[in-house]
Amino acid sequence: GQNIDQPTEMTATEGAIVQINCTYQTSGFNGLFWYQQHAGEAPTFLSYNVLDGLEEKGRFSSFLSRSKGYSYLLLKELQMKDSASYLCAVRDSNYQLIWGAGTKLIIKP
Amino acid sequence: ETGVTQTPRHLVMGMTNKKSLKCEQHLGHNAMYWYKQSAKKPLELMFVYSLEERVENNSVPSRFSPECPNSSHLFLHLHTLQPEDSALYLCASSQVLDSSYEQYFGPGTRLTVT
Repeated sequence: GQNIDQPTEMTATEGAIVQINCTYQTSGFNGLFWYQQHAGEAPTFLSYNVLDGLEEKGRFSSFLSRSKGYSYLLLKELQMKDSASYLCAVRDSNYQLIWGAGTKLIIKP
Repeated sequence: ETGVTQTPRHLVMGMTNKKSLKCEQHLGHNAMYWYKQSAKKPLELMFVYSLEERVENNSVPSRFSPECPNSSHLFLHLHTLQPEDSALYLCASSQVLDSSYEQYFGPGTRLTVT
């Protein structure tokens, strides 16, 4: 079966750095997405990785290792508004998106 | 504001009711999606439309019936639902199907079946 694993919940301190991991087992691979979802709101796109390596976008970076079936989202200089759920999704060989259950990130002052 | 709107935002319905969820995208996209989001579970893809034609139906019960009258509008018709159907229903759109383009989500309809 196809599976996406990510931690259920993480806690971090304002101003710090946090890394949210995602491991996947899918039938084929055609890219990995990270989305942010604030409580009661729509998921919004953060990043897309299809080749190995690090993609940086301001305070957020996303890393991919296809051989290990592994990705992480790195958030720097954490702000209170970063408290949200972070969803990892992989596009399989049929171009269908397989979603993780999301990681709830709690930021403490 | 992502360019995808959904109405209503909240809906409470009995098991014998019939209701419809509406989604509209203002992005000129060709693909639209219905997802079900339950607490602490992955997003479940329900239906996919590309250029107004249904291309995917992931074994969804017949009490859910989608309709795509044009590329900007998507409906989900509901009838004789069960309490376990209570969830957040999300609509999304993307520029084209089967590509690296990201999906844009609406704010969702919070459905409670009593």
